[in-house]
Amino acid sequence: RKEVEQDPGPFNVPEGATVAFNCTYSNSASQSFFWYRQDCRKEPKLLMSVYSSGNEDGRFTAQLNRASQYISLLIRDSKLSDSATYLCVVNRDNYGQNFVFGPGTRLSVLP
Amino acid sequence: EAQVTQNPRYLITVTGKKLTVTCSQNMNHEYMSWYRQDPGLGLRQIYYSMNVEVTDKGDVPEGYKVSRKEKRNFPLILESPSPNQTSLYFCASSLRVRTGDSYEQYFGPGTRLTVT
Repeated sequence: RKEVEQDPGPFNVPEGATVAFNCTYSNSASQSFFWYRQDCRKEPKLLMSVYSSGNEDGRFTAQLNRASQYISLLIRDSKLSDSATYLCVVNRDNYGQNFVFGPGTRLSVLP
Repeated sequence: EAQVTQNPRYLITVTGKKLTVTCSQNMNHEYMSWYRQDPGLGLRQIYYSMNVEVTDKGDVPEGYKVSRKEKRNFPLILESPSPNQTSLYFCASSLRVRTGDSYEQYFGPGTRLTVT
Protein backbone atom coordinates (compact mmCIF):
# COMPACT_ATOMS: atom_id res chain seq x y z
CA ARG A 1 0.00 0.00 0.00
CA LYS A 2 1.31 3.46 -0.89
CA GLU A 3 1.91 5.85 1.98
CA VAL A 4 -0.27 8.51 0.35
CA GLU A 5 -3.16 7.44 -1.87
CA GLN A 6 -5.53 9.50 -3.96
CA ASP A 7 -8.56 8.96 -6.16
CA PRO A 8 -7.20 7.47 -9.37
CA GLY A 9 -9.10 9.78 -11.73
CA PRO A 10 -9.23 11.27 -14.21
CA PHE A 11 -12.19 13.45 -13.36
CA ASN A 12 -13.97 15.04 -16.32
CA VAL A 13 -16.48 17.64 -15.18
CA PRO A 14 -18.41 20.47 -16.87
CA GLU A 15 -17.68 24.09 -16.09
CA GLY A 16 -19.45 25.21 -12.95
CA ALA A 17 -19.48 21.77 -11.35
CA THR A 18 -18.35 21.01 -7.82
CA VAL A 19 -15.65 18.36 -7.58
CA ALA A 20 -14.13 16.65 -4.55
CA PHE A 21 -10.75 14.97 -4.27
CA ASN A 22 -9.90 12.47 -1.58
CA CYS A 23 -6.56 11.52 -0.12
CA THR A 24 -5.57 9.06 2.60
CA TYR A 25 -2.22 8.65 4.33
CA SER A 26 -0.92 5.70 6.29
CA ASN A 27 1.73 7.27 8.52
CA SER A 28 -0.07 8.46 11.65
CA ALA A 29 2.98 10.51 12.66
CA SER A 30 2.56 12.79 9.64
CA GLN A 31 2.53 16.41 10.64
CA SER A 32 1.74 18.78 7.80
CA PHE A 33 -0.55 18.45 4.82
CA PHE A 34 -0.87 20.25 1.52
CA TRP A 35 -2.56 20.30 -1.83
CA TYR A 36 -0.44 21.18 -4.85
CA ARG A 37 -1.48 21.49 -8.47
CA GLN A 38 0.65 20.52 -11.42
CA ASP A 39 -0.02 21.53 -15.00
CA CYS A 40 1.07 19.14 -17.73
CA ARG A 41 4.58 18.13 -16.52
CA LYS A 42 5.37 21.61 -15.25
CA GLU A 43 6.52 22.22 -11.72
CA PRO A 44 4.05 21.64 -8.88
CA LYS A 45 2.72 24.77 -7.21
CA LEU A 46 1.19 25.08 -3.78
CA LEU A 47 -2.58 25.37 -3.88
CA MET A 48 -3.18 25.41 -0.16
CA SER A 49 -2.00 24.06 3.14
CA VAL A 50 -4.48 21.95 5.07
CA TYR A 51 -5.15 22.72 8.71
CA SER A 52 -6.94 20.65 11.31
CA SER A 53 -9.78 23.15 11.53
CA GLY A 54 -10.29 23.10 7.78
CA ASN A 55 -9.59 26.06 5.59
CA GLU A 56 -11.04 27.82 2.61
CA ASP A 57 -9.52 29.95 -0.12
CA GLY A 58 -12.10 31.31 -2.53
CA ARG A 59 -13.61 28.38 -4.40
CA PHE A 60 -11.30 25.88 -2.71
CA THR A 61 -11.93 24.16 0.62
CA ALA A 62 -9.57 21.73 2.30
CA GLN A 63 -10.41 19.43 5.19
CA LEU A 64 -8.24 17.23 7.39
CA ASN A 65 -9.41 14.35 9.55
CA ARG A 66 -6.42 13.14 11.57
CA ALA A 67 -8.35 10.31 13.22
CA SER A 68 -9.25 8.83 9.84
CA GLN A 69 -5.97 9.97 8.23
CA TYR A 70 -7.97 11.56 5.46
CA ILE A 71 -7.61 14.81 3.54
CA SER A 72 -10.02 16.31 1.07
CA LEU A 73 -10.14 19.14 -1.44
CA LEU A 74 -13.38 20.62 -2.72
CA ILE A 75 -13.49 22.87 -5.77
CA ARG A 76 -16.71 24.79 -6.32
CA ASP A 77 -17.81 26.43 -9.57
CA SER A 78 -15.06 24.75 -11.61
CA LYS A 79 -13.31 26.85 -14.25
CA LEU A 80 -11.52 25.68 -17.38
CA SER A 81 -8.32 26.94 -15.77
CA ASP A 82 -8.74 24.45 -12.92
CA SER A 83 -7.78 21.64 -15.30
CA ALA A 84 -4.60 20.17 -13.83
CA THR A 85 -3.34 17.30 -11.70
CA TYR A 86 -3.94 17.75 -7.97
CA LEU A 87 -1.30 16.34 -5.66
CA CYS A 88 -1.85 15.48 -2.03
CA VAL A 89 1.37 16.01 -0.05
CA VAL A 90 2.24 14.93 3.47
CA ASN A 91 5.24 15.94 5.55
CA ARG A 92 6.29 13.07 7.80
CA ASP A 93 8.45 15.25 10.01
CA ASN A 94 7.50 18.66 11.34
CA TYR A 95 11.13 19.57 11.98
CA GLY A 96 12.47 18.45 8.65
CA GLN A 97 11.46 18.27 5.08
CA ASN A 98 10.54 14.66 4.56
CA PHE A 99 7.69 14.96 2.07
CA VAL A 100 5.63 12.24 0.48
CA PHE A 101 3.55 12.98 -2.61
CA GLY A 102 0.45 11.15 -3.65
CA PRO A 103 0.23 9.98 -7.26
CA GLY A 104 -2.14 12.80 -8.14
CA THR A 105 -5.64 13.04 -9.53
CA ARG A 106 -6.10 14.62 -12.93
CA LEU A 107 -9.00 17.01 -13.44
CA SER A 108 -10.33 18.12 -16.80
CA VAL A 109 -12.97 20.85 -16.75
CA LEU A 110 -14.93 20.78 -19.98
CA PRO A 111 -16.72 23.71 -21.64
CA GLU B 1 12.07 37.78 -8.89
CA ALA B 2 11.93 34.98 -6.32
CA GLN B 3 12.69 31.72 -8.03
CA VAL B 4 14.33 28.33 -8.11
CA THR B 5 16.46 27.70 -11.17
CA GLN B 6 17.73 24.41 -12.53
CA ASN B 7 20.27 23.66 -15.22
CA PRO B 8 20.25 22.09 -17.64
CA ARG B 9 16.56 21.87 -18.46
CA TYR B 10 17.08 18.99 -20.85
CA LEU B 11 19.93 16.49 -20.96
CA ILE B 12 20.59 13.36 -22.96
CA THR B 13 23.61 11.39 -21.85
CA VAL B 14 25.10 7.91 -21.96
CA THR B 15 25.39 5.29 -19.27
CA GLY B 16 28.28 5.89 -16.89
CA LYS B 17 29.08 9.49 -17.81
CA LYS B 18 29.05 11.57 -14.64
CA LEU B 19 26.74 14.54 -14.62
CA THR B 20 25.61 17.31 -12.32
CA VAL B 21 22.27 19.10 -12.31
CA THR B 22 22.51 22.45 -10.62
CA CYS B 23 19.82 24.04 -8.46
CA SER B 24 19.86 27.54 -7.08
CA GLN B 25 17.34 29.59 -5.11
CA ASN B 26 17.34 33.30 -4.35
CA MET B 27 14.83 33.29 -1.49
CA ASN B 28 17.28 32.58 1.35
CA HIS B 29 15.45 29.33 2.10
CA GLU B 30 17.04 26.96 4.56
CA TYR B 31 15.49 23.82 3.16
CA MET B 32 16.06 22.33 -0.26
CA SER B 33 15.05 19.02 -1.87
CA TRP B 34 15.44 16.95 -4.99
CA TYR B 35 12.64 14.86 -6.47
CA ARG B 36 12.20 12.63 -9.44
CA GLN B 37 8.87 12.19 -11.18
CA ASP B 38 7.99 9.08 -13.13
CA PRO B 39 4.68 8.10 -14.76
CA GLY B 40 2.46 6.22 -12.36
CA LEU B 41 4.82 6.79 -9.44
CA GLY B 42 4.40 10.50 -8.80
CA LEU B 43 7.12 12.60 -7.22
CA ARG B 44 9.58 10.78 -5.01
CA GLN B 45 12.08 12.53 -2.79
CA ILE B 46 15.73 11.74 -3.51
CA TYR B 47 17.59 13.88 -0.98
CA TYR B 48 16.84 16.88 1.15
CA SER B 49 18.83 19.43 3.08
CA MET B 50 17.83 21.35 6.17
CA ASN B 51 20.78 23.71 6.07
CA VAL B 52 24.33 24.16 4.82
CA GLU B 53 26.31 20.93 5.22
CA VAL B 54 23.20 19.07 6.45
CA THR B 55 21.70 16.55 4.04
CA ASP B 56 19.46 13.51 4.46
CA LYS B 57 18.30 10.69 2.27
CA GLY B 58 14.80 10.71 0.92
CA ASP B 59 12.96 7.67 -0.36
CA VAL B 60 15.05 6.96 -3.48
CA PRO B 61 18.67 8.07 -2.85
CA GLU B 62 20.46 5.18 -4.56
CA GLY B 63 22.67 6.32 -7.42
CA TYR B 64 22.60 9.99 -6.42
CA LYS B 65 24.75 12.35 -4.41
CA VAL B 66 24.14 15.88 -3.22
CA SER B 67 26.09 18.60 -1.52
CA ARG B 68 25.09 21.80 0.26
CA LYS B 69 28.15 23.99 0.60
CA GLU B 70 26.21 27.24 0.23
CA LYS B 71 22.70 28.07 1.28
CA ARG B 72 21.50 28.99 -2.20
CA ASN B 73 22.86 25.96 -4.12
CA PHE B 74 21.99 22.28 -3.96
CA PRO B 75 23.47 20.32 -6.89
CA LEU B 76 22.41 16.78 -7.72
CA ILE B 77 25.23 14.50 -8.85
CA LEU B 78 24.89 11.26 -10.77
CA GLU B 79 28.30 9.62 -10.59
CA SER B 80 27.48 6.80 -13.01
CA PRO B 81 24.07 7.34 -14.59
CA SER B 82 22.03 4.36 -15.70
CA PRO B 83 18.94 4.14 -17.92
CA ASN B 84 16.67 3.66 -14.89
CA GLN B 85 17.57 7.21 -13.85
CA THR B 86 15.83 8.55 -16.93
CA SER B 87 13.23 10.82 -15.37
CA LEU B 88 11.96 14.33 -14.79
CA TYR B 89 13.82 15.93 -11.89
CA PHE B 90 12.61 18.79 -9.74
CA CYS B 91 14.49 20.84 -7.22
CA ALA B 92 12.52 22.61 -4.50
CA SER B 93 13.20 25.01 -1.67
CA SER B 94 11.16 25.66 1.44
CA LEU B 95 10.39 28.43 3.81
CA ARG B 96 8.93 27.58 7.19
CA VAL B 97 5.63 29.40 7.37
CA ARG B 98 5.19 30.91 10.83
CA THR B 99 1.65 29.83 11.49
CA GLY B 100 0.52 26.25 11.38
CA ASP B 101 4.02 24.74 11.23
CA SER B 102 3.72 24.13 7.54
CA TYR B 103 6.29 24.35 4.82
CA GLU B 104 5.49 25.75 1.40
CA GLN B 105 7.79 24.35 -1.27
CA TYR B 106 8.80 26.32 -4.35
CA PHE B 107 9.79 24.17 -7.27
CA GLY B 108 12.21 24.73 -10.09
CA PRO B 109 11.04 24.23 -13.70
CA GLY B 110 12.37 20.68 -13.91
CA THR B 111 15.19 18.89 -15.71
CA ARG B 112 14.30 16.16 -18.17
CA LEU B 113 17.12 13.62 -18.16
CA THR B 114 17.48 10.76 -20.61
CA VAL B 115 20.20 8.16 -20.07
CA THR B 116 20.85 5.85 -23.01
